[in-house]
Amino acid sequence: AQSVTQLGSHVSVSEGALVLLRCNYSSSVPPYLFWYVQYPNQGLQLLLKYTSAATLVKGINGFEAEFKKSETSFHLTKPSAHMSDAAEYFCAVSGNDYKLSFGAGTTVTVRA
Amino acid sequence: DTEVTQTPKHLVMGMTNKKSLKCEQHMGHRAMYWYKQKAKKPPELMFVYSYEKLSINESVPSRFSPECPNSSLLNLHLHALQPEDSALYLCASSQGGSGLKTQYFGPGTRLLVL
Repeated sequence: AQSVTQLGSHVSVSEGALVLLRCNYSSSVPPYLFWYVQYPNQGLQLLLKYTSAATLVKGINGFEAEFKKSETSFHLTKPSAHMSDAAEYFCAVSGNDYKLSFGAGTTVTVRA
Repeated sequence: DTEVTQTPKHLVMGMTNKKSLKCEQHMGHRAMYWYKQKAKKPPELMFVYSYEKLSINESVPSRFSPECPNSSLLNLHLHALQPEDSALYLCASSQGGSGLKTQYFGPGTRLLVL
């Protein structure tokens, strides 16, 4: 069974600083990996996905993630945080059975 | 267009009421999902419909009854809910069939059961 672990339930960054959100996966087969963002009182929006094409994946809003098989990681980064990046971020892994396994989520706050 | 719409946005109901949540997508997706999300938690899968047939029921209480009238619509009928059922209910859709798929989520319905 596939699963993901997000390290750090809360990340606080200064505006303009690097955002780094950590996600490690467990999968017996090549995984589909996703990062979703959830702004307050909204649904989940797909930020980016890894589907075994390129290991460096670029998403929306300046985010990118790198798939590292040797480290079983799929960390999300953004070079320069903006106040609008304050949200909940979920890493997820997909299986062949329609099921998405989510991490516990990381809350990002951005300090002015 | 990757839009999934949900109505209503907010719903307040008593424990004896019957209400329905609606979800619609026009992306040609043949798999649709209902999730329940409590505050500060990830979404939990409730039901999956694949080609308009119920494919997965994650042992959800019978007071929740899903329905998929056609390939674009998904309903969740609610009856005799409990206060602990208060949550954000999310609908999602993806391409159908086996294999790995990307799920696209709607904005959710925030449900309060009094």
